[in-house]
Amino acid sequence: DAGVIQSPRHEVTEMGQEVTLRCKPISGHDYLFWYRQTMMRGLELLIYFNNNVPIDDSGMPEDRFSAKMPNASFSTLKIQPSEPRDSAVYFCASSLAWGQGTRTAEAFFGQGTRLTVV
Amino acid sequence: RKEVEQDPGPFNVPEGATVAFNCTYSNSASQSFFWYRQDCRKEPKLLMSVYSSGNEDGRFTAQLNRASQYISLLIRDSKLSDSATYLCVVNTMNSGYSTLTFGKGTMLLVSP
Repeated sequence: DAGVIQSPRHEVTEMGQEVTLRCKPISGHDYLFWYRQTMMRGLELLIYFNNNVPIDDSGMPEDRFSAKMPNASFSTLKIQPSEPRDSAVYFCASSLAWGQGTRTAEAFFGQGTRLTVV
Repeated sequence: RKEVEQDPGPFNVPEGATVAFNCTYSNSASQSFFWYRQDCRKEPKLLMSVYSSGNEDGRFTAQLNRASQYISLLIRDSKLSDSATYLCVVNTMNSGYSTLTFGKGTMLLVSP
């Protein structure tokens, strides 16, 4: 498997523009996570899906952010309109389902999308 | 109190040194614990899980103290290639669903 695939790798956009980040999880993984990483705040969980259903979106900063997972092999994170403070590296990760008592739950990360909003 | 706290470092050590990182977590219901490694401008990758009894993987030893809500990572005989940021990660079950919470990481710089 090629691992988690994200696109684009880099995105530079002007303030006010719509930005769409894409993610293809590892085949067979039930969980998909969107994270944002900045120097100030580290890695923050934005939203995660289980079997394509959004479970927890409490980390989404505001209504400008939305995420979808139309099928098991694809997810998008959209920012509309974008602002300079959205500049960060956005990671998508996927993982196999795990239940109570399971000891290991490795999350596999994509290479990230480095977003710069000017 | 932050959910997962780590000393940001950087820790500057010479090759061959032993270095230890600490991490504290706030949610006593947390069930699983991990250390991830992140190289500069790369994605995080799992380094090792942390088990209650403590576990070792080559030069790396991880320990967990549930009573104190404290996790540690010890690296012996540091190599230049160990230079990276080490992220403490806590998995907490909530209403049947699991979430991974990451610390901000501790940066390690190993010099010749």
